[in-house]
Amino acid sequence: GAGVSQSPSNKVTEKGKDVELRCDPISGHTALYWYRQSLGQGLEFLIYFQGNSAPDKSGLPSDRFSAERTGGSVSTLTIQRTQQEDSAVYLCASSSGTVGVEQYFGPGTRLTVT
Amino acid sequence: AQKVTQAQTEISVVEKEDVTLDCVYETRDTTYYLFWYKQPPSGELVFLIRRNSFDEQNEISGRYSWNFQKSTSSFNFTITASQVVDSAVYFCALSEDNQAGTALIFGKGTTLSVSS
Repeated sequence: GAGVSQSPSNKVTEKGKDVELRCDPISGHTALYWYRQSLGQGLEFLIYFQGNSAPDKSGLPSDRFSAERTGGSVSTLTIQRTQQEDSAVYLCASSSGTVGVEQYFGPGTRLTVT
Repeated sequence: AQKVTQAQTEISVVEKEDVTLDCVYETRDTTYYLFWYKQPPSGELVFLIRRNSFDEQNEISGRYSWNFQKSTSSFNFTITASQVVDSAVYFCALSEDNQAGTALIFGKGTTLSVSS
């Protein structure tokens, strides 16, 4: 079956612009996660959705970051007024449950802020 | 606080050698879950295995085996008779039962290079 898909695969943007990253989880998966992977910080958790609600936003690095999920499926991560330190690979994962269930990852979006 | 340590940053071996990737974790919970993921050069994280804290049985899957020891808070991964296709970054991760959504806490990863 289809895995987690993300778009765009690459995004180059100028400092100060807003960007939207999209994630399409595995069909039927109720939980959706966003992570960020950068050289200096490794893999960091950003936000989690159960259905359309986000009970855990603790990992969002600043109020420039926001995310939403609609219809219990597609999610969008928005970064406003991008900064160079936002450059990273943004990974989306989904799982069929929450407690102790493996997460399946998408290919990521490589964001470069110039 | 929860933490995952992969002390080996890079390992280089020659094909057919056995190699063990170390993972040490810290948690205050009695119920937790451990994972290994592989990230090949293509970049996509691939799930390899999950273990819960109540199951200390070692597991073998083909050339892969995992050794979970609660006494030393370790969850080590061994590849037997390594192959070039095993070259990748391997991540160990932890999630806890008391955390909403049980987000994965990753180690920094170990880069394995297998040469022919």
